[in-house]
Amino acid sequence: DVKVTQSSRYLVKRTGEKVFLECVQDMDHENMFWYRQDPGLGLRLIYFSYDVKMKEKGDIPEGYSVSREKKERFSLILESASTNQTSMYLCASSSRTGNADTQYFGPGTRLTVL
Amino acid sequence: AQSVTQPDIHITVSEGASLELRCNYSYGATPYLFWYVQSPGQGLQLLLKYFSGDTLVQGIKGFEAEFKRSQSSFNLRKPSVHWSDAAEYFCAVGRGTGFQKLVFGTGTRLLVSP
Repeated sequence: DVKVTQSSRYLVKRTGEKVFLECVQDMDHENMFWYRQDPGLGLRLIYFSYDVKMKEKGDIPEGYSVSREKKERFSLILESASTNQTSMYLCASSSRTGNADTQYFGPGTRLTVL
Repeated sequence: AQSVTQPDIHITVSEGASLELRCNYSYGATPYLFWYVQSPGQGLQLLLKYFSGDTLVQGIKGFEAEFKRSQSSFNLRKPSVHWSDAAEYFCAVGRGTGFQKLVFGTGTRLLVSP
């Protein structure tokens, strides 16, 4: 079974802190994704990585950056956390064997910024 | 721009009754369409997906969806709902390279009454 793990289920940070959210997948997938999930807004794509050191902006990249130094790990960075970044963050991964390969999601990290 | 609309925020269905969750999309070409389910405290899991071919798609857990181009719809159905189906359901459309960049609807929360 594909496993996507996220470093924390719950995280509480202060405004202005630098925050790292980590995601690891064990299926040798080329693609990895970060989404945020908010009530009434569904999931929105923040960033997408299709290979090591390669990234592409999603729909809401402002205030975020990402890092992918190894194939299995994809980090989301909040350079200076703000209260409007309080949300559920979901990581996903997929292979690149064809079109629209299934994305496998982690359990999520609920981040609260005070 | 691509978009997905799920007009029902909540739906309550009696156990054993049939279910239909609505999804309408906006996309210029033939879309890749997905249904995902998120059970309480869990990550998202793919139920089914469609790109071409038979417009009636079978998925896991007894779900099916029908693509209707004329109505820009991709509604999810199940003939007999079980209490374990209580979850949030998300419709999505794929775009970009490999159709990997998903645009999600806002979700429909399904409640199952005894």
